Parts: sequence; structure tokens; C-alpha cells
Amino acid sequence: NAGVTQTPKFQVLKTGQSMTLQCAQDMNHEYMSWYRQDPGMGLRLIHYSVGAGITDQGEVPNGYNVSRSTTEDFPLRLLSAAPSQTSVYFCASSSGQSKNIQYFGAGTRLSVL
Amino acid sequence: QKEVEQDPGPLSVPEGAIVSLNCTYSNSAFQYFMWYRQYSRKGPELLMYTYSSGNKEDGRFTAQVDKSSKYISLFIRDSQPSDSATYLCAMSVNNFNKFYFGSGTKLNVKP
Repeated sequence: NAGVTQTPKFQVLKTGQSMTLQCAQDMNHEYMSWYRQDPGMGLRLIHYSVGAGITDQGEVPNGYNVSRSTTEDFPLRLLSAAPSQTSVYFCASSSGQSKNIQYFGAGTRLSVL
Repeated sequence: QKEVEQDPGPLSVPEGAIVSLNCTYSNSAFQYFMWYRQYSRKGPELLMYTYSSGNKEDGRFTAQVDKSSKYISLFIRDSQPSDSATYLCAMSVNNFNKFYFGSGTKLNVKP
């Protein structure tokens, strides 16, 4: 049972480059979210989705895009990477029946030089 | 002011000690309260989940919510070295997407 899978685990980008962080879950969960974790800041919500085709902004959405074409996948796109986006990114999912119980992936460590 | 405040620690205790971890919050509308455990370089995993006020016990772990004081606690009895991790509190009002996390408390249980 894979749960929530994030790829890549590590990534180094140069300022201005774009990339997509992948997130896939095999639990048929309706709800998926992206967070970033920075020292002393806890987890902050970037974008979330309540189902295929439906996304919305969280607390810190600027510089990121998302789409949800399938229930399983929820990719996060960095349009033009900036050093301020250096962080650890976590994807999470939860079911409609237990919306408050989120399952997290192992994270993607991103450095923007 | 942050929605959720949590002492970052680190908190160092001997094996077998009772550990108390705490968070305070400012939004009286929060109803769902969660504790996550995060091992180094891993994703958070849900440890305890409570709704509204009161206590909830699961093995060596007890979660307490005091909504009148806007204060939540996690107690760990008979702490083990395997409990060494960062503990994050999280809370929400009434929908999944607006979770507010504390910054986490790093716990070290010494053998």
C-alpha cells in the first residue's frame, strides 16, 4: 500500500527555472493539499483540491500553480523558481468521510540557487 | 500574531519520563485538533485527533483540549527513545482545507 507518493525527493533549481513536483495517492481520496515547511514556520498551505477539476488557493499560493485532472494526481508547478521557494514540500490527502485526517507524503526537498 | 503558537524546544528528557507538549491558539472557532509526529526527513503522521474540548487517550498518548483557555496538550507517558521526533499541533474550524499548524516541538528522549 503506497499511500501518498511524492517525486522527486530532492531537487536543485536555478533562479527562473520551472519545474513540477509530482504527488500521487492510491487511496481514492477526494481531498489533496500541498504544504511547504520552513524552519520556525510550521506547515503552510499552498493549494488544495476537493476533487478532480476543483482547486483553490491556500495561505501562500503566489508563484505556484496546481491542477487536478484525476483523483489520484495533484502536481504542483513552480512557474519561475525564486530562492524564497527553497523549502520542503509536502503533499497530503484525506477522504471525504474523514476530511480532517490527512496522510502525508515523504516530502520533496527543493533548493533554489 | 500567528494563529497557532508552539514552543520549538528542543525538549530533552530521560527515558521513562512523562512528556508534556503544548500549543496555544487565537481563533476561538477552531473545533478540530490534531497532533502529528514527524521523524527527521519524513512526512508528518497523524498521532491523535480530537473534536472540541476534552481528553482522548490512546496507549501512552493523551490529548487534552481546553477551549476556554485556547490551549491544547499532548502527554506522552513512559517516553521511549523511539518517541524522539518533532511534534506538530494542527487545528481547523470546520473544513479540511484550512489547517493551521504550529511550528513543531523537537523532542529528544535519552536512553
